[in-house]
Amino acid sequence: KAGVTQTPRYLIKTRGQQVTLSCSPISGHRSVSWYQQTPGQGLQFLFEYFSETQRNKGNFPGRFSGRQFSNSRSEMNVSTLELGDSALYLCASSTRTGRDYGYTFGSGTRLTVV
Amino acid sequence: QKEVEQNSGPLSVPEGAIASLNCTYSDRGSQSFFWYRQYSGKSPELIMFIYSNGDKEDGRFTAQLNKASQYVSLLIRDSQPSDSATYLCAAGAANTGNQFYFGTGTSLTVIP
Repeated sequence: KAGVTQTPRYLIKTRGQQVTLSCSPISGHRSVSWYQQTPGQGLQFLFEYFSETQRNKGNFPGRFSGRQFSNSRSEMNVSTLELGDSALYLCASSTRTGRDYGYTFGSGTRLTVV
Repeated sequence: QKEVEQNSGPLSVPEGAIASLNCTYSDRGSQSFFWYRQYSGKSPELIMFIYSNGDKEDGRFTAQLNKASQYVSLLIRDSQPSDSATYLCAAGAANTGNQFYFGTGTSLTVIP
């Protein structure tokens, strides 16, 4: 069974640019959550999508947005990049009741903003 | 106040000893609790989950939950050097959907 696939693995962007990250969940999983991981803050919840609808959103500015397609693949977009957006972005795949069984994480996208 | 708090460590134990990792959470509505292991440069992987007060054992791992004290712990028996990693505690948010609050992790080193 294929795992969670995130692309690209690494990105280097310049301040002010925008970036789009992609996540393909485990087959049959319709819930996709996104987290930002930094050394000081740990994993911070960005948002969760289930069946193309955003179910929950964390405390991030509107520059962070996402969407989910009918095949459950999800994209996350960050506009007007800031240096502080440098982080590991993790996508997590789960079933509808993932809160009962936990997540499977992808390998992450390491974003560096210069 | 953070929703989930862990001692950042580092925690060092000799090989074969018991490693004890602790976590407290602030949201009394949280019903599910998870431990993830994250090796350096890798993504977190699920080790165990627990919902009910008491102990839950899985091989060398035992998770403990005390909802009255809002406390979760993970015991690793017969620690091995391969257990050296950062351990993340997570609590399910008291809302619909699959949102979790994560602690910042405890770094564990098992010394051969």
